[in-house]
Amino acid sequence: GEDVEQSLFLSVREGDSSVINCTYTDSSSTYLYWYKQEPGAGLQLLTYIFSNMDMKQDQRLTVLLNKKDKHLSLRIADTQTGDSAIYFCAESIEEYGNKLVFGAGTILRVKS
Amino acid sequence: DAGITQSPRHKVTETGTPVTLRCHQTENHRYMYWYRQDPGHGLRLIHYSYGVKDTDKGEVSDGYSVSRSKTEDFLLTLESATSSQTSVYFCAIMADYNEQFFGPGTRLTVL
Repeated sequence: GEDVEQSLFLSVREGDSSVINCTYTDSSSTYLYWYKQEPGAGLQLLTYIFSNMDMKQDQRLTVLLNKKDKHLSLRIADTQTGDSAIYFCAESIEEYGNKLVFGAGTILRVKS
Repeated sequence: DAGITQSPRHKVTETGTPVTLRCHQTENHRYMYWYRQDPGHGLRLIHYSYGVKDTDKGEVSDGYSVSRSKTEDFLLTLESATSSQTSVYFCAIMADYNEQFFGPGTRLTVL
């Protein structure tokens, strides 16, 4: 079955790096995504990685994918207070029109 | 925001009434999706569409129907709203390179 799990909460100090982890179960996933949601807002696509890649870097964001362990992580360098939000990991399921299966989200709190 | 709008943005209705939510896109993408977001569940797929008049069910489709008569519009209908359908509803499109973008959401309260 399809399942995506994330830790619920992460607290870091401003300027530190944040690492948010995610595990997924569907080995046929072609793309994996990270979204950010601020209070009362929609979901903002941060980055995504194709399943045949190990790493993707985009400015302060680094995504690491361990396909063998079905583990995905998002590293945010030099975390700022504006990074405080909920972060969702999602995998795409090609069988169902590339629907996304989401984790429950990780609340990132950045302390100044 | 990939040119996605949703209407209404907020709605309060009573149990048993029909409700229709609209998703509109400006870029003619083929795939459109309706998700609902509930605390502790992330987002879950209700229905999706892969073209005009082509739709299919997602994992939580009971009590919902959809229609897509034009490429740009994807409608979600609750035939007879129940309190368990109180949620935030998000529309999404799949753009080039499998990027999936979401609309701003509709907050629905069923009393």
